[in-house]
Amino acid sequence: AQKVTQAQTEISVVEKEDVTLDCVYETRDTTYYLFWYKQPPSGELVFLIRRNSFDEQNEISGRYSWNFQKSTSSFNFTITASQVVDSAVYFCALTDNNAGNMLTFGGGTRLMVKP
Amino acid sequence: SAVISQKPSRDICQRGTSLTIQCQVDSQVTMMFWYRQQPGQSLTLIATANQGSEATYESGFVIDKFPISRPNLTFSTLTVSNLSPEDSSIYLCSVERAPTSGQFFGPGTRLTVL
Repeated sequence: AQKVTQAQTEISVVEKEDVTLDCVYETRDTTYYLFWYKQPPSGELVFLIRRNSFDEQNEISGRYSWNFQKSTSSFNFTITASQVVDSAVYFCALTDNNAGNMLTFGGGTRLMVKP
Repeated sequence: SAVISQKPSRDICQRGTSLTIQCQVDSQVTMMFWYRQQPGQSLTLIATANQGSEATYESGFVIDKFPISRPNLTFSTLTVSNLSPEDSSIYLCSVERAPTSGQFFGPGTRLTVL
């Protein structure tokens, strides 16, 4: 069975601080895919990144970076020099070839960036 | 990615009535899904909307309560029937162009049941 755990339910930082959102996953499949989504207060879900289980390279996109470590089953997300506009709920999600396209979401981490 | 719209964006309904939510995509997609997000919670998959056949429901969701239509590859509707306050949630549709490529979500429909 698949499971995604986001242990941090809420994080509060001051603008310009760096912040890391943790994501730990469980799956029995050797081929799987991990995702991060952002849900701002308006409610829509914004796709941020997709990573497959065979690609352990870390990725950087502007102020965003992702650290994928299979050894610890983690796919952590770091925002550098946070801004107020980064305030949102962030979801980590997982699917694999046996999931029938079903995305398993973590519980989400609410990030509040204060000016 | 895809441009996805949902109607209505929000609604307030009375107990016992039904609400039909529409999801429109700007191009043909094979896979469409419906999710529910209860207040302060994560997303839960309701069903996969299959074009030309009955939707595939996840455990805990039934067709009588959540009938779904998918008449073509760009459009789907979700009806939430016999509403109760427990149905107050955000309902989101999503699409995926290829298996495991990543789902893109519509803006959501915020439903409040009085």
